[in-house]
Amino acid sequence: GDSVTQMEGPVTLSEEAFLTINCTYTATGYPSLFWYVQYPGEGLQLLLKATKADDKGSNKGFEATYRKETTSFHLEKGSVQVSDSAVYFCALSDEWNYGQNFVFGPGTRLSVLP
Amino acid sequence: SQTIHQWPATLVQPVGSPLSLECTVEGTSNPNLYWYRQAAGRGLQLLFYSVGIGQISSEVPQNLSASRPQDRQFILSSKKLLLSDSGFYLCAWRGGSNSNQPQHFGDGTRLSIL
Repeated sequence: GDSVTQMEGPVTLSEEAFLTINCTYTATGYPSLFWYVQYPGEGLQLLLKATKADDKGSNKGFEATYRKETTSFHLEKGSVQVSDSAVYFCALSDEWNYGQNFVFGPGTRLSVLP
Repeated sequence: SQTIHQWPATLVQPVGSPLSLECTVEGTSNPNLYWYRQAAGRGLQLLFYSVGIGQISSEVPQNLSASRPQDRQFILSSKKLLLSDSGFYLCAWRGGSNSNQPQHFGDGTRLSIL
């Protein structure tokens, strides 16, 4: 079945450091890919998405490129802020099982220190 | 624009008591609806999803149930809560008819069982 793998956390960075959170996936069909962010005590918010190979999703300084050849969708940000401290979830939606299949990774906790 | 509401935000219940959590969506019609549970510091566990009124699919056998009495209303229930039911419960909706549509989450209900 479909699955999403994320790098183990927690990730701790200093303010203004470069961020990469790795995400790889396996899918039966041609999935759409998403990154969500969850701040403490809140629900998940959509951060960005990409729906086909080589698409780049971007939002709030975060970027991720859909790499079909490496089945990856790594999240990057050039300069993190303390306010970016949160849990980040990579997810996919496969075309063959639309109603049910929205597969989430386990999440990566990011802590940014001032 | 579309909005999703969950209530209550926080709930403390004794073991063996009943449960009813409600989720409503505004600004869209015939959404797919989802209930997730998130244990402390953990990822998301899909509990139920619904593609239409009265149509409920269960992902995990347990003492919880879900109902969809109206198009944009999704209710999570239990007749007798267990200690293991503690967690953060998230409702989500999804529109459209293809896999590039994201899920949108409510703010969650934090449930503590005593």
